[in-house]
Amino acid sequence: DAGVIQSPRHEVTEMGQEVTLRCKPISGHDYLFWYRQTMMRGLELLIYFNNNVPIDDSGMPEDRFSAKMPNASFSTLKIQPSEPRDSAVYFCASSLRVVTEAFFGQGTRLTVV
Amino acid sequence: TQLLEQSPQFLSIQEGENLTVYCNSSSVFSSLQWYRQEPGEGPVLLVTVVTGGEVKKLKRLTFQFGDARKDSSLHITAAQPGDTGLYLCAGYFGNEKLTFGTGTRLTIIP
Repeated sequence: DAGVIQSPRHEVTEMGQEVTLRCKPISGHDYLFWYRQTMMRGLELLIYFNNNVPIDDSGMPEDRFSAKMPNASFSTLKIQPSEPRDSAVYFCASSLRVVTEAFFGQGTRLTVV
Repeated sequence: TQLLEQSPQFLSIQEGENLTVYCNSSSVFSSLQWYRQEPGEGPVLLVTVVTGGEVKKLKRLTFQFGDARKDSSLHITAAQPGDTGLYLCAGYFGNEKLTFGTGTRLTIIP
């Protein structure tokens, strides 16, 4: 398996624009997590899915953020409209079950100017 | 909200020295994991500990889980430049959410 695949690797956008981040988890993994990493706040859990169903989105900062998982092999994190304070590295991770290893993608570095 | 505090936040030592970093919480972990992250990459799992008092070794790295399952430590013996990175603890607190600590940024000076 190629591991967790995220796209794009880098995204630069203007304030107010819509941004969509994409993630392909490892096949067969039941759990998918979206994290955001900044120097100030570290690695924050935004939302996670179990078998494509959103379980906990309490970490999503605002209504501008939304996430979907239409099928077991694809998830998106959308920010609309984007703001400069959304600049961060966004990671997607998947795991087979709870308490097992979480496999991370290489992340998407988002810069909102 | 469970909080995982790691200390120290930054650590810079000479090659060959020993070091210990810590992870603490006010809540009991169901299980705890240690990850290492290198620049431009996602975190990679080093170890999972589940039982209070558990000790696991991975070459020069020794991981200990506190008896009360509220804290953990990572000890590195004879540190090498390849150990440089961001060390993150992450815990499950009786639920499915994997919560990460604040991280220790380790630099080993050749």
